[in-house]
Amino acid sequence: GQQVMQIPQYQHVQEGEDFTTYCNSSTTLSNIQWYKQRPGGHPVFLIQLVKSGEVKKQKRLTFQFGEAKKNSSLHITATQTTDVGTYFCAGPNKRANNLFFGTGTRLTVIP
Amino acid sequence: NAGVTQTPKFQVLKTGQSMTLQCAQDMNHNSMYWYRQDPGMGLRLIYYSASEGTTDKGEVPNGYNVSRLNKREFSLRLESAAPSQTSVYFCASGGLAANTGELFFGEGSRLTVL
Repeated sequence: GQQVMQIPQYQHVQEGEDFTTYCNSSTTLSNIQWYKQRPGGHPVFLIQLVKSGEVKKQKRLTFQFGEAKKNSSLHITATQTTDVGTYFCAGPNKRANNLFFGTGTRLTVIP
Repeated sequence: NAGVTQTPKFQVLKTGQSMTLQCAQDMNHNSMYWYRQDPGMGLRLIYYSASEGTTDKGEVPNGYNVSRLNKREFSLRLESAAPSQTSVYFCASGGLAANTGELFFGEGSRLTVL
């Protein structure tokens, strides 16, 4: 069945360091979405990528969608304590009636 | 706008008891979803409803039932709770289909089954 894997599972960084999480799908995706979940909170949508090779930026966050549309990455430049949380990628199944979530990367930022 | 509202936020059940989680959205979305979140396993879809009057199974539907009462409300029922159903449950709503737009999540319902 369709699987969406993320690495690493956990990441501890010093404040100011960069952070990257990688997402890999077992199947080609029509699009990929990224969500952030703060500790004790609920997932909040960050962005959706649709085109092969697409790169989008949101301030210090850079999102990429692979050429083959099977992988994606989220890069945070100069992390801040407000970046703490778990980052999930998610991709739709072929029937487009479900969004498969990756296992998430939990980011801890040490002040 | 409240967005997606779930109740209750916390619940403790004994094995075999039943309960219903309520969810309502005020964004006029067609699609609504119930996910469960367990440590190290991300979010897994239990049931979804693509439109009022329709429901379909997701990845992990066993032990659950759902009702799409109207366009706004989508409830999740545990008929006979089991310890394996201890989890955090999230209701979500979205546009026409999951692949065309973001999902909006409720704040979650933390369920413990003893």
